[in-house]
Amino acid sequence: GENVEQHPSTLSVQEGDSAVIKCTYSDSASNYFPWYKQELGKGPQLIIDIRSNVGEKKDQRIAVTLNKTAKHFSLHITETQPEDSAVYFCAASRDGDDKIIFGKGTRLHILP
Amino acid sequence: EAGVTQFPSHSVIEKGQTVTLRCDPISGHDNLYWYRRVMGKEIKFLLHFVKESKQDESGMPNNRFLAERTGGTYSTLKVQPAELEDSGVYFCASSLGTSGNTGELFFGEGSRLTVL
Repeated sequence: GENVEQHPSTLSVQEGDSAVIKCTYSDSASNYFPWYKQELGKGPQLIIDIRSNVGEKKDQRIAVTLNKTAKHFSLHITETQPEDSAVYFCAASRDGDDKIIFGKGTRLHILP
Repeated sequence: EAGVTQFPSHSVIEKGQTVTLRCDPISGHDNLYWYRRVMGKEIKFLLHFVKESKQDESGMPNNRFLAERTGGTYSTLKVQPAELEDSGVYFCASSLGTSGNTGELFFGEGSRLTVL
């Protein structure tokens, strides 16, 4: 089955700097890669996703890149702000399989 | 519109006791999922309902776990008898489409289970 590895487990960046979280997946059939953000006391919330027919997607300060050959995908947050502090989860799934497989999460701290 | 609601938010029980977690999905969402996160690990899939039918229960750890969704509305997840390793946060999520294709997962805030 699919296995998603996520790094780093913890990341601290200065406010205004960029943050990058990286994930790898094992199932070459996976074609949908969402990213979820979990704030303290809340459930995970979808922030951006990408499908395997594109290599990059951007939404304001958030971007995701996908390298299908290497089975890598990454989340990039630019101009980080205090409200970006949260746990971020990458995930993968494929057509015909209704479950999403999550990584272990990255706790992002934005330092003042 | 109300989001996914879960109850209780936190439950502390002793090993061997029974706990029942409840999830109310977003109205109109046929797809309901249960996930679990043990501290520091991934959010792990437990099972998926489509309306009242179990579509995929491949992630259920063992027969101490029983999930139901009678009438295709709210769902319950019962753990009986609870063991120490069952501790974690149990998330419920719902979606319109299936999660792997078109349906964004909407998560509840989770039910934290602590087994002593």
